Amino acid sequence: ETGVTQTPRHLVMGMTNKKSLKCEQHLGHNAMYWYKQSAKKPLELMFVYSLEERVENNSVPSRFSPECPNSSHLFLHLHTLQPEDSALYLCASSQQGARAEAFFGQGTRLTVV
Amino acid sequence: GQQVMQIPQYQHVQEGEDFTTYCNSSTTLSNIQWYKQRPGGHPVFLIQLVKSGEVKKQKRLTFQFGEAKKNSSLHITATQTTDVGTYFCAGLIRGGSNYKLTFGKGTLLTVNP
Repeated sequence: ETGVTQTPRHLVMGMTNKKSLKCEQHLGHNAMYWYKQSAKKPLELMFVYSLEERVENNSVPSRFSPECPNSSHLFLHLHTLQPEDSALYLCASSQQGARAEAFFGQGTRLTVV
Repeated sequence: GQQVMQIPQYQHVQEGEDFTTYCNSSTTLSNIQWYKQRPGGHPVFLIQLVKSGEVKKQKRLTFQFGEAKKNSSLHITATQTTDVGTYFCAGLIRGGSNYKLTFGKGTLLTVNP
């Protein structure tokens, strides 16, 4: 148990569906992240929220829409995805600052059919 | 852009052999972090190095941070089957008041018993 909880753990969705991934952290951290992990690729940073403000958006397609209503919760809204979006989506949190190790959730394994 | 390069991408060893993975950054890092991801799992924080030339040990694992704070290595002595997994380095780069954690591609270690 890392203190970062992601739901659902597995998700299969069609290309026309709308779904949301949820992340919750109980560590009192002030920064939260979405990463994408595809086979044979490095961890790709998608979005960063620091103090509930989005501070980074790494050229992510608009079919991915993040939401951070408070410092403990982070969502990733999915709409009209493509099969190549199938991946493990990892949420992480940290305390923004010079010694900010990341604590990861267990991830959501997403399959787009 | 800022990159963290990690080699090798894969390493297969016989149990009892040593293993080393290397990490290089194109820019000076505030710190370097190492994570381990077991097959089917999520990245788990191992250690953080902050000072130039720092060396830390965790049992059979030795972590080094280069003098210029641009490279790092992880060395495992006498590997065991429990060491199997992907080892990621992650460099913390400061940009203004924000810190960005950039991951390497990881080294997948497999151990033949």
